[in-house]
Amino acid sequence: GAGVSQSPRYKVAKRGQDVALRCDPISGHVSLFWYQQALGQGPEFLTYFQNEAQLDKSGLPSDRFFAERPEGSVSTLKIQRTQQEDSAVYLCASSSDRNQPQHFGDGTRLSIL
Amino acid sequence: AQSVTQPDIHITVSEGASLELRCNYSYGATPYLFWYVQSPGQGLQLLLKYFSGDTLVQGIKGFEAEFKRSQSSFNLRKPSVHWSDAAEYFCAVGAYNFNKFYFGSGTKLNVKP
Repeated sequence: GAGVSQSPRYKVAKRGQDVALRCDPISGHVSLFWYQQALGQGPEFLTYFQNEAQLDKSGLPSDRFFAERPEGSVSTLKIQRTQQEDSAVYLCASSSDRNQPQHFGDGTRLSIL
Repeated sequence: AQSVTQPDIHITVSEGASLELRCNYSYGATPYLFWYVQSPGQGLQLLLKYFSGDTLVQGIKGFEAEFKRSQSSFNLRKPSVHWSDAAEYFCAVGAYNFNKFYFGSGTKLNVKP
C-alpha cells in the first residue's frame, strides 16, 4: 500500500524479553518519527530521523530503547529487557520533509506480561 | 517547558450541533500547531495546521481552527457535526525545527443521534 506500514500489529512479550518493532514509511519520505501512546493518553515523542541520521532521541525513556534507520527507509524500534510500563501503542509517522504533514501508521500494540 | 493542554476529556454533542474543542499550548517561540483525529485502532490523521499568516485555518472534513496568540489557544470548530465525526481529537505543537512534536492528551467526541 501507499501508507505507513507497521509490524507486527500486536505483540505480547514476557517481562525481560527483547522486542523489535518495524516501520515501513511512505516511499521517499525523509523524515521519520516514533511515538509512544499509553492508554488514554496522547502520543509522546520518542525519536526523530532525517534519512538515516537520528537527529533527536531525547524522548527515549531509557537506554533500553534503541531506534535505527540504517538505510534511510525502514526503521526499527528495539526495546531490551522489557518492563510492564513499556506496554503501549507505538506509532510511527513519516513525512516528505520535516515541516510537511506527518502520515501515521496504525501502530503496534505492545503488551508486556 | 513545552506542553499542550486539552481540558475536555470527553465531549458529547448532538448530530447537527456545532462543536468546539479546546486546546491551550505553552511554547517559548512561535508555535506550529496541528489538530489530528484518531479512530479506534488507527493512526492519526491530520485535520489542519497553522504555521503563520491568517489565524483562521481551514481543514478537511469541514473543520476549522483559530490561533489566538494572546490566549495561547488553538481551538477546533465545526459548524455542524456528523455521526462519523465521533473519534478522538489531538492538538499538537511542533518545535521550531520540526524535530519534535508535543501532543495533548486528547478529547473523545461522542455524537448523539
